[in-house]
Amino acid sequence: GQNIDQPTEMTATEGAIVQINCTYQTSGFNGLFWYQQHAGEAPTFLSYNVLDGLEEKGRFSSFLSRSKGYSYLLLKELQMKDSASYLCAVRDPGDSWGKLQFGAGTQVVVTP
Amino acid sequence: GAGVSQTPSNKVTEKGKYVELRCDPISGHTALYWYRQSLGQGPEFLIYFQGTGAADDSGLPNDRFFAVRPEGSVSTLKIQRTERGDSAVYLCASSLRDRNEQFFGPGTRLTVL
Repeated sequence: GQNIDQPTEMTATEGAIVQINCTYQTSGFNGLFWYQQHAGEAPTFLSYNVLDGLEEKGRFSSFLSRSKGYSYLLLKELQMKDSASYLCAVRDPGDSWGKLQFGAGTQVVVTP
Repeated sequence: GAGVSQTPSNKVTEKGKYVELRCDPISGHTALYWYRQSLGQGPEFLIYFQGTGAADDSGLPNDRFFAVRPEGSVSTLKIQRTERGDSAVYLCASSLRDRNEQFFGPGTRLTVL
C-alpha cells in the first residue's frame, strides 16, 4: 500500500511562487502524477515524473527524488485562476499499471 | 466534445435503491477507470478496464458494486442496495493505454438519502 502526504492548505499572493510537497511511502515506485482540480470540476493532468529530477512545463515544474520518496510541484507567477486543489498520485509496481493512489490534495488559495 | 462525459451529473436516490452511472470515454482510449471522491479527499480507485475486461477491480468496496464495459467503449458502474455511505462524486477517466496519463470526466454526484 501507499501512504501519500501533502499539506492540507497553502496561501500565496498573486505573482508569487508556491511549492507543494508530496511524500510517499511505498514498497516500490512506478511513477508520480500531479493533477489540478478546481472546485466542482474534474482533475486535470499537470505532470508526470518517473526519473529523478526536475520537469518544467511553463509556469509549473515538478521535481522527484525517488531515494527520498519526495516530490514537489512548483507554481510560479501565481494567478488567481491557480486557486485549486493539487493532487499528488503514485503508481506502485505492486499494483496494476492503471491503478493510481491519490493523496488528499493541497488546497492553494491565491490572494490579490 | 472530445472529453470524457458522464451521466447523470447528479443522482439522488433512497437507501436500498439500485443506481447506474454511465461513462463515455475519449474516442480511441482503450483504458477506462472508475474512482470515487469524498469531500476533502483525493480520488479513490475502484476499478479499471483495458478493453472490455476488468484489469483490476481491487478497489470495489464490496459485492454491491459492479461495472461493465461490454463493447470496450462506454462503461456503466452499477450499485445495488445503495447505502448512505455510498454518497460521493463518482469520477470516470480514460487513457490511451493503462500506463498513460488519465483524463477525467466531470463526475456524477451521488446522494443517497
